[in-house]
Amino acid sequence: SYVLTQPPSVSVAPGQTARITCGGNNIGSKSVHWYQQKPGQAPVLVVYDDSDRPSGIPERFSGSNSGNTATLTISRVEAGDEADYYCQVWDSSSDHCVVFGGGTKLTVL
Amino acid sequence: EVQLVESGGGLIQPGGSLRLSCAASGFTVSSNYMSWVRQAPGKGLEWVSVIYSGGSTYYADSVKGRFTISRDNSKNTLYLQMNSLRAEDTAVYYCARVVDLNWFDPWGQGTLVTVSS
Repeated sequence: SYVLTQPPSVSVAPGQTARITCGGNNIGSKSVHWYQQKPGQAPVLVVYDDSDRPSGIPERFSGSNSGNTATLTISRVEAGDEADYYCQVWDSSSDHCVVFGGGTKLTVL
Repeated sequence: EVQLVESGGGLIQPGGSLRLSCAASGFTVSSNYMSWVRQAPGKGLEWVSVIYSGGSTYYADSVKGRFTISRDNSKNTLYLQMNSLRAEDTAVYYCARVVDLNWFDPWGQGTLVTVSS
């Protein structure tokens, strides 16, 4: 089955740029989606189709996807961005239709 | 406003059964793909099941044969029937709408299922 690999944690100072990676075999050929989850809350979609933002999501959130790595970039990081972030793809080639990465804890120093 | 509200979670003994509900508002469940995703305490997200608008259903290997996803069009509600529950099924269960057979939006607030004796 398809596997998505994320770093367990990323730390960044306020105002700096955070980059969270999501690795997968030829992931550039798939559409990657990103979710933000704060403690005790449900996940929220922040980027879909590699680089599109839902309405209401700040422009500071952006995404890219190429080769074997997709990246969620958060510019001008704020304290309120501290959360867990998950990447996700839909792997319709297998019975395991949906795959999530293991999640990355973003810490704002 | 598009919204999902889960209910039905609780404490259940191993081997028992439970049915989760997910009431939708602002859109029609039967016209969309709908899914269940769970999150064990302190762990990441795990996809559980999906039901397509045409009625086809798919399950994660970990729940196949034990869980059944369904919907009631008249109530605009999604369900997850969980049988033969195990300790490892303990998790917060979220329902979510699937958009473009690709991503999940929105998500419900989740309902906690605890399997323990």
